Amino acid sequence: LAKTTQPISMDSYEGQEVNITCSHNNIATNDYITWYQQFPSQGPRFIIQGYKTKVTNEVASLFIPADRKSSTLSLPRVSLSDTAVYYCLVGVLGYQKVTFGIGTKLQVIP
Amino acid sequence: NAGVTQTPKFRVLKTGQSMTLLCAQDMNHEYMYWYRQDPGMGLRLIHYSVGEGTTAKGEVPDGYNVSRLKKQNFLLGLESAAPSQTSVYFCASREAPQAYNEQFFGPGTRLTVL
Repeated sequence: LAKTTQPISMDSYEGQEVNITCSHNNIATNDYITWYQQFPSQGPRFIIQGYKTKVTNEVASLFIPADRKSSTLSLPRVSLSDTAVYYCLVGVLGYQKVTFGIGTKLQVIP
Repeated sequence: NAGVTQTPKFRVLKTGQSMTLLCAQDMNHEYMYWYRQDPGMGLRLIHYSVGEGTTAKGEVPDGYNVSRLKKQNFLLGLESAAPSQTSVYFCASREAPQAYNEQFFGPGTRLTVL
């Protein structure tokens, strides 16, 4: 299983762009990179998934460099409602080879 | 669609008591999962199922049993609860495609074992 490392916590002001980087040096060829968001007292929610280069959806963008040893989740113009824990996962769920780390706790400040 | 629902939302047990947590999904998903979440530990996989009638062990299966008699339901049982099983339990489901990692999570069950 690929080990992931991400900051434990981050603070950001409302309206700023937030970038959360995850390191995964031993990522395997078949592994995907997936990000989840979890609000207090709720289950995690899928945000975005990618394999290489850049992926964008209505919520976030995911940047993956060519060597795939890291990835960056970008949240544009955060609001207070984006305060949550963000998890970086590396692997393939279909093979039961994905683990959740402790995540990054993002606090958005007014 | 209700998505993934979990019953009960809260429960307090005494050491040695047994209980069953129920997870139900109405999305016709093949895969279902049980996780536990402890402070500072992230989510850890307890058991999972790749289809009706099948179950398999995850990362931390000891002290738990599961059953998937119907495709839409996944039950997690604690035969003899211990204080170490105090945790928040999440159920999740997903479709079958191997390379897509989107799971749908339930709201969680907060279990306290005294």
